[in-house]
Amino acid sequence: GNSVTQMEGPVTLSEEAFLTINCTYTATGYPSLFWYVQYPGEGLQLLLKATKADDKGSNKGFEATYRKETTSFHLEKGSVQVSDSAVYFCALSDRQNTDKLIFGTGTRLQVFP
Amino acid sequence: GAVVSQHPSRVICKSGTSVKIECRSLDFQATTMFWYRQFPKQSLMLMATSNEGSKATYEQGVEKDKFLINHASLTLSTLTVTSAHPEDSSFYICSAVDRESNGYTFGSGTRLTVV
Repeated sequence: GNSVTQMEGPVTLSEEAFLTINCTYTATGYPSLFWYVQYPGEGLQLLLKATKADDKGSNKGFEATYRKETTSFHLEKGSVQVSDSAVYFCALSDRQNTDKLIFGTGTRLQVFP
Repeated sequence: GAVVSQHPSRVICKSGTSVKIECRSLDFQATTMFWYRQFPKQSLMLMATSNEGSKATYEQGVEKDKFLINHASLTLSTLTVTSAHPEDSSFYICSAVDRESNGYTFGSGTRLTVV
């Protein structure tokens, strides 16, 4: 079945450091891929998405590229801020947002000044 | 943008009682809503898919008689935890699909504590 695998956290970085959170997936067909962010005590917010191979999603300095050949969708940011501290979830859906989302286990990011 | 309101944000109830959680799409119609459960420091577990006007589809291992889902209108889905026990304590999150934009929008979650 479809699944998402994320690197385990927590990821601890100093402010302005480079961030990579790895995400790989297993799916039949051509899923859409997402990154969601969850701040403490809150629900999930869509960070970025990509709907087909080689698409790059970007938002708030975060980027991720849909790599079909490596079945990956790694999240990157060139310079993190303390306010980026949160839990990040990689997810996929089978049919362009009209089917249920399958989530990875989440990666907690802690950024210190 | 699309907004989903989830209420209450926190609830404490006694063992054996029932709790209802509401999920409303405020500015769009949601024919499909999803209910998730999140354990501390863990990912979201999909509990069920709620379709307006029909029975919910439950994921394997989720007790449909314990977690009652009603999706009576295009803007409201409810999850009722019946005869709650301490092990039902968790963070419950709903999401709604906006068919026009094909986007998912999540509620802010409900922290349920059963004492």
